Formats: sequence, structure tokens, C-alpha cells
Amino acid sequence: AQTVTQSQPEMSVQEAETVTLSCTYDTSENNYYLFWYKQPPSRQMILVIRQEAYKQQNATENRFSVNFQKAAKSFSLKISDSQLGDTAMYFCAFMRGGSQGNLIFGKGTKLSVKP
Amino acid sequence: DSGVTQTPKHLITATGQRVTLRCSPRSGDLSVYWYQQSLDQGLQFLIQYYNGEERAKGNILERFSAQQFPDLHSELNLSSLELGDSALYFCASSVGDAGANVLTFGAGSRLTVL
Repeated sequence: AQTVTQSQPEMSVQEAETVTLSCTYDTSENNYYLFWYKQPPSRQMILVIRQEAYKQQNATENRFSVNFQKAAKSFSLKISDSQLGDTAMYFCAFMRGGSQGNLIFGKGTKLSVKP
Repeated sequence: DSGVTQTPKHLITATGQRVTLRCSPRSGDLSVYWYQQSLDQGLQFLIQYYNGEERAKGNILERFSAQQFPDLHSELNLSSLELGDSALYFCASSVGDAGANVLTFGAGSRLTVL
């Protein structure tokens, strides 16, 4: 069974600074996808970024980028130029390839951006 | 607005009762997923449907059932409710059923069991 571990329950960062959220996962699959979802106080789950395991290049989306280390089974999220609106719970998630595309989530990291 | 519509937004009921949560997927999406988010269990996958057929099952209790209708909307039925069933229930949808698809989540239905 696949597991996803986020070892930082809470983090804080000053506005405009950079912060990195950690995620590790365990799987024996070779074909899979990794995601970061954001859940602001509104409780809506919002996709931040997605990474295909077969791609060596790290995914980026504007201020958000990942450091994907396949051998180490590590998938960290870097947020640059942090903004107050980045305050949220961040969930790392795993999805195996194939015909059953359900997400397995970590416990989440609560990020607070301070002015 | 994500395009995934969930109703009701909030629901308060008593132990032993039965409730139905409804989800309309994003236009064009054939897969519907149900997730439960609680403080102690985190985000748990319950069940997935693709084009009306059950595709995958997660940690769904026997007291819970779901279905996807021909118009692709889905309902999650929760019966014999217990205090521990209080949670935020999310529906998500995707175009296909394969792992390459991105899930789009609805705003959730918050269930409180008293």
C-alpha cells in the first residue's frame, strides 16, 4: 500500500520570503503521479502543482515549484515570494497510474504567512 | 467556482438518521470521487465511479453507499449515522478514470451528527 508522509504539521514564513514544505512517499509502483493541493480557510481543495514520476524535470507553476527526488521518494514544495493568500493547509498526494486514479493524501502542513 | 457542485453545504442531523449528499461533476468529466475529511483520519478516499460504474473502493463503511446516475451526477448515502461520521465530505471529478487525470474538488458538504 502507498503512504504519504508530511513531517511538518505547521510552518510559518514572513511575507515575500521563501518556504519549503516536505513530503515523502512510499510505493513499489513505477508509474505514478504526485500532487500538492492547497486548502485555504474556505475549505476548498485547490490544485497547486502536479508531477509525473516519469519526468525528471521538476514541475513549476509561477511561484510554486517542486523538488522531485524519485530515488529518495521525496517531493517537496517550494513557495517563493510568499503572499498572505498562501496561508492554508497544504496536502501532498500520490496517485498510482492505471485505471484507478484515486488520490492518497498526507496529513497536511499548516502554513501561515505573516505580514 | 471549480465547476463541481455539492449540495447541501451544511447538514446537521441526529445519530441513527440517514442523509444523502449530492454531487454534480464538472461538465465533460466522467469520473466522480468521494472523500471524507475528519480531524482524526485526515482525507480518506471513499469510492470512485466512472461513467456510472464503480471503479475503486477505499475506506467506505458498509453503512455508506454511493451511485452515479446516467446524467453523471452522484449521490453518497450515509445511514445509521454515528457521532464519528461528522466530517467534511468532498466530491471530486475528472475527465477519465486513469491516474493521469487531475481531480477537481467541490466545496464540500459539512455533516454534523449530534
